[in-house]
Amino acid sequence: DAGITQSPRYKITETGRQVTLMCHQTWSHSYMFWYRQDLGHGLRLIYYSAAADITDKGEVPDGYVVSRSKTENFPLTLESATRSQTSVYFCASSDRGRGTEAFFGQGTRLTVV
Amino acid sequence: AQSVTQLGSHVSVSEGALVLLRCNYSSSVPPYLFWYVQYPNQGLQLLLKYTSAATLVKGINGFEAEFKKSETSFHLTKPSAHMSDAAEYFCAVNPQGGSEKLVFGKGTKLTVNP
Repeated sequence: DAGITQSPRYKITETGRQVTLMCHQTWSHSYMFWYRQDLGHGLRLIYYSAAADITDKGEVPDGYVVSRSKTENFPLTLESATRSQTSVYFCASSDRGRGTEAFFGQGTRLTVV
Repeated sequence: AQSVTQLGSHVSVSEGALVLLRCNYSSSVPPYLFWYVQYPNQGLQLLLKYTSAATLVKGINGFEAEFKKSETSFHLTKPSAHMSDAAEYFCAVNPQGGSEKLVFGKGTKLTVNP
């Protein structure tokens, strides 16, 4: 299917475990983003990528790792999950050019217990 | 750093009433501005965007927004609310001098009463 897909949609993990959230887009967009959504904070940028093998930190990168070996994939890894990382995570992609629309996935609801 | 402020985390209107959701940006030069909508358990969807072509921007589902440089505002309006408009709305800015990343406001949850 065309578009941007995230997996899993829901995940429960234990404190200290490593967990990877997957994101795949079919448009060959240059840019990909990871945001987290928390009540009272809106969406905050974790990491973003301008192209394969190019990534940069956003507003709240601590505790997260990203990679982008292929244009279409942008996984987000929590190396040692903490309760404060319980959140809804959104992946997005956009073409080059400021003012370009970003397209969002359906989100992954992660609970760390 | 450039940012947006959404006034009112919750707005409640009656069906058929005017919808007004407020967004102010902080920037010395006009940035690119967006409004996104999020329906329950879904991702965000673009409503409209301002990229300096016209100050009054029309979007999907009857929404529009007016860019006012003198007020540093980009408020979202709809003349007549519908039950299906109940959702959370986010204002976002694509800062000047940055990449294509977006900086979001904290969101406004719109409730539409019958």
